[in-house]
Amino acid sequence: DAKTTQPPSMDCAEGRAANLPCNHSTISGNEYVYWYRQIHSQGPQYIIHGLKNNETNEMASLIITEDRKSSTLILPHATLRDTAVYYCIVRAFSSNDYKLSFGAGTTVTVRA
Amino acid sequence: NAGVTQTPKFRVLKTGQSMTLLCAQDMNHEYMYWYRQDPGMGLRLIHYSVGEGTTAKGEVPDGYNVSRLKKQNFLLGLESAAPSQTSVYFCASSYSKAAGGLNTEAFFGQGTRLTVV
Repeated sequence: DAKTTQPPSMDCAEGRAANLPCNHSTISGNEYVYWYRQIHSQGPQYIIHGLKNNETNEMASLIITEDRKSSTLILPHATLRDTAVYYCIVRAFSSNDYKLSFGAGTTVTVRA
Repeated sequence: NAGVTQTPKFRVLKTGQSMTLLCAQDMNHEYMYWYRQDPGMGLRLIHYSVGEGTTAKGEVPDGYNVSRLKKQNFLLGLESAAPSQTSVYFCASSYSKAAGGLNTEAFFGQGTRLTVV
């Protein structure tokens, strides 16, 4: 799997958009970008994933640059409950790729 | 719609004791994973399985064994517990084929808090 780089922490004001960057400059053509988050003491939760097109669901939007070397997760209206560690992962689903490995992630603190 | 269920949720062991953690999923997922998470750290992969009857080592497999005799269950065993194995253990499952394509996102259990004294 390609490695990812995320800032260790960031703050966000409640009600504002939170933009979480992720660098994955060595991503391969068949690797997807996944985002998960882990709220304190809970199991990680899937947020969204994409290959090259921008994606949106009820939780967030994912913007992937044209060269696919970086992406941004957008939480459109952050709430206090969005305080969590956010993980950016890139992985393929080829016949030889099974591992799901997490890095250190970004600790996001939403402040009132 | 249970998803991924881990048993037990809490356990205290004495050094040298053995125990088995059970993970069960009802989503017909092919892949299952065991992770450990220590305070202030990220998740580290212990072992994983790509299908019934198959297992493989992850990043930190020493001191643990696993079995996947049934597709829906993935067991993590500690043969002789050590204080260094005090941690929160998470199980996850992923990957299934559906009419609309592949479901690739992973689902996690709520964790097992293990303390070895």
